[in-house]
Formats: sequence, C-alpha cells, structure tokens
Amino acid sequence: DTAVSQTPKYLVTQMGNDKSIKCEQNLGHDTMYWYKQDSKKFLKIMFSYNNKELIINETVPNRFSPKSPDKAHLNLHINSLELGDSAVYFCASSQDTGSYEQYFGPGTRLTVT
Amino acid sequence: GNSVTQMEGPVTLSEEAFLTINCTYTATGYPSLFWYVQYPGEGLQLLLKATKADDKGSNKGFEATYRKETTSFHLEKGSVQVSDSAVYFCALVSGNTPLVFGKGTRLSVIA
Repeated sequence: DTAVSQTPKYLVTQMGNDKSIKCEQNLGHDTMYWYKQDSKKFLKIMFSYNNKELIINETVPNRFSPKSPDKAHLNLHINSLELGDSAVYFCASSQDTGSYEQYFGPGTRLTVT
Repeated sequence: GNSVTQMEGPVTLSEEAFLTINCTYTATGYPSLFWYVQYPGEGLQLLLKATKADDKGSNKGFEATYRKETTSFHLEKGSVQVSDSAVYFCALVSGNTPLVFGKGTRLSVIA
C-alpha cells in the first residue's frame, strides 16, 4: 500500500546514456514533484505538475524532461547523462498546489560513471 | 525571495540528551513553517508544522514554536533516542510558492 512509489530504487549507468525514473502515487493527489538531493543532502525542487500540467520548472538542464501521462504518474527522463547528475531523486505529491504537506517516495539513487 | 537557514550539522548526542536544531527564515507574506525528517534510506516525512505566529507544532516528542519576532522555528526534543537519528529539514511555504527547504541537519544519537 505504498503511497508514493518510485522505480528503480538504484540506477547505475554510464555517461551519455538516456534513462528514466518512474513515479506513481495512489493518494488521489493532484500535484506531483521531482526533487534532486545532492551528496550533501541539499534538496532542490526540479519540477511540479498539477493535474498533468507543468506548473514549476526550476533552472534545470533541458536534458531533464518530465512527463505526466495522468495525474497519478510523473516520470522523469534524462538524456545524455553527466557525472554531475549523480544524486538521489525524490518524487513527491500533495493534495493540490496550495497544500503544504508533501508525501515523498523512497528515492532513486542515480550513479553516473 | 523565500529562504531557510538551518544550523550546520552533524549533531551527535547521547541518548536522553536535549536536542535543539536552529532554523531561521526569510519570507514574503505570512509563511507556514515545517519540519520534515528523513530516516536513513527513506524519503522525507512531515514531522510537524505551524501555520501562524506563536503556534507550536508537536509530534513524537518534538516541538517547534513559530516565532515571528525572531523569524525562527527551532526544533527541540527533551530526550532523544537512538531511533531519532536522521536528517532534519526545516521548510516553509508562502502563498502559492513551492516548499523551500533548508540544507538539512544530520542528527546522530549514540547509546
């Protein structure tokens, strides 16, 4: 009964490859997010979608492309992976854009070699 | 813009010690304030919140009081346990802006 799930949990890949991370929430929430957490635990928002529409797009390289096929899913595709993309990526959801309580997934640890 | 500043970690305490993790903020308008906790290998979870000045949020023995005059929201616990070892994030939201997190403070509690 996981509320917010992500796959895969670990992802090891080489520079230049393209990879995707999937996220699903079963809470019936309208808003979903992607965060990047670096090695020092600093957490930075990347994207936010409300009801399948992009509402926040922080300064993120355009190699990163989110896709929301429906409001329960928000996937993250990364092209031409670089060493600096190594981090833990968290998906989260909230009731709507005005809700402050966010529910986080377990994270995907991406390692680019 | 909105920002949150937390004390640098790591913080190492013995079991049953008193915990304070400082958090101050800068925000436009009237923010709501939060503490999130991240246990090892997991995502963040909301620990407590306060939505207006002088509110006290509390949960699992942790407390934090929204102090508008000092723009602070310090996290306290009277007696920590080993199971409290985690990274703690102070955060705020103001209006329709997304959550803004501090850099996190790692707490290690030793038996």
